[in-house]
Amino acid sequence: GAGVSQSPSNKVTEKGKDVELRCDPISGHTALYWYRQSLGQGLEFLIYFQGNSAPDKSGLPSDRFSAERTGGSVSTLTIQRTQQEDSAVYLCASSLALGAGGNTIYFGEGSWLTVV
Amino acid sequence: AQKVTQAQTEISVVEKEDVTLDCVYETRDTTYYLFWYKQPPSGELVFLIRRNSFDEQNEISGRYSWNFQKSTSSFNFTITASQVVDSAVYFCALSEAKAGNMLTFGGGTRLMVKP
Repeated sequence: GAGVSQSPSNKVTEKGKDVELRCDPISGHTALYWYRQSLGQGLEFLIYFQGNSAPDKSGLPSDRFSAERTGGSVSTLTIQRTQQEDSAVYLCASSLALGAGGNTIYFGEGSWLTVV
Repeated sequence: AQKVTQAQTEISVVEKEDVTLDCVYETRDTTYYLFWYKQPPSGELVFLIRRNSFDEQNEISGRYSWNFQKSTSSFNFTITASQVVDSAVYFCALSEAKAGNMLTFGGGTRLMVKP
């Protein structure tokens, strides 16, 4: 499809296990974002990739969280040694990165992570 | 630092009523952008509108309209003649030009439209 694609759509994992969440952005979008939405909470920024620049990791909640983007396209968000408080919807988004900002960001359907 | 406040956490209306969702923002940047997104039960965030800080002209799109007032730092969203399909969580968001495309979201307003 033409939108942001995320997988898996749902993931249940045991506490302490590692998980990987994948995001395939809209073709041609150089900017990619990860956000987290916990149950009943707002949207929390995690990390931002723009082209070949170093990513903005300022939103990552702990060193158990990491993300990479290969070839300027697909991104993987990895959570190591998962904890129950990591349970949330992880939303990936992408946009063009023209000018000084304000480009519309388009979101995927999210990966629902449940840590039991 | 930028901040977006959506004071209404939940609104319930009966179908065909008009409803306004409030959004107040804070920013020190003179160039910024405001957005509204809809999140239906499926979970995907659907883009509705983008506004830049230099364009205060109100916009209407079908049953949706937006009122941007810099004097009160507000960007309110009105749905006219609401329908059950409008039931969703609506998020207001802000990005500052100096911060690139980074979005700061409000806490969201859950709108329930009852038949």
